[in-house]
Amino acid sequence: NAGVMQNPRHLVRRRGQEARLRCSPMKGHSHVYWYRQLPEEGLKFMVYLQKENIIDESGMPKERFSAEFPKEGPSILRIQQVVRGDSAAYFCASSEGTGRLGYGYTFGSGTRLTVV
Amino acid sequence: QQPVQSPQAVILREGEDAVINCSSSKALYSVHWYRQKHGEAPVFLMILLKGGEQKGHEKISASFNEKKQQSSLYLTASQLSYSGTYFCGTENTGGFKTIFGAGTRLFVKA
Repeated sequence: NAGVMQNPRHLVRRRGQEARLRCSPMKGHSHVYWYRQLPEEGLKFMVYLQKENIIDESGMPKERFSAEFPKEGPSILRIQQVVRGDSAAYFCASSEGTGRLGYGYTFGSGTRLTVV
Repeated sequence: QQPVQSPQAVILREGEDAVINCSSSKALYSVHWYRQKHGEAPVFLMILLKGGEQKGHEKISASFNEKKQQSSLYLTASQLSYSGTYFCGTENTGGFKTIFGAGTRLFVKA
């Protein structure tokens, strides 16, 4: 059973370009979470999705950032018109259910975005 | 809303014990604990649900005091492999997402 698959592992974009990060959750997991991590810092919540629904996007910047988890295919985190401050590691996690039901998260290996 | 972890960092000799604390200003449904090694993904250790339970496996265990909105992670007879950054994540009554603390850096030396 493959774990959470994220690609690409490393992504370099020039300022103003679009970055598209993909996440395939573990088989049987319908809950997907995106977190952002700067070097030597903690994990900052961005968005929580279930199939075809955004449940909580309170951690995502209102502009340039969007996320989706379609019925078929991976979850996508899209960053438009990237700026240097977007450089970070972006981790995706999946679970069978929420924490209050006793489910922990399985994290992917992350996508390290560098904006030049 | 972000839980507060303490200490920020700790250095141990192999075989010593450590306690990492996590506290929240909001009522909690659950507390997660993860360990992250440099350049790698966080790895799930355990989850505790409200009710004051204690969980653990091998030499790593945790407790959850619902009334105090606190959790503690106990590392017993530490091994070199325990080195890394430990994060607690909390899910409070205000939503379904898990918010992580800033992390506790643990270094175990021989």
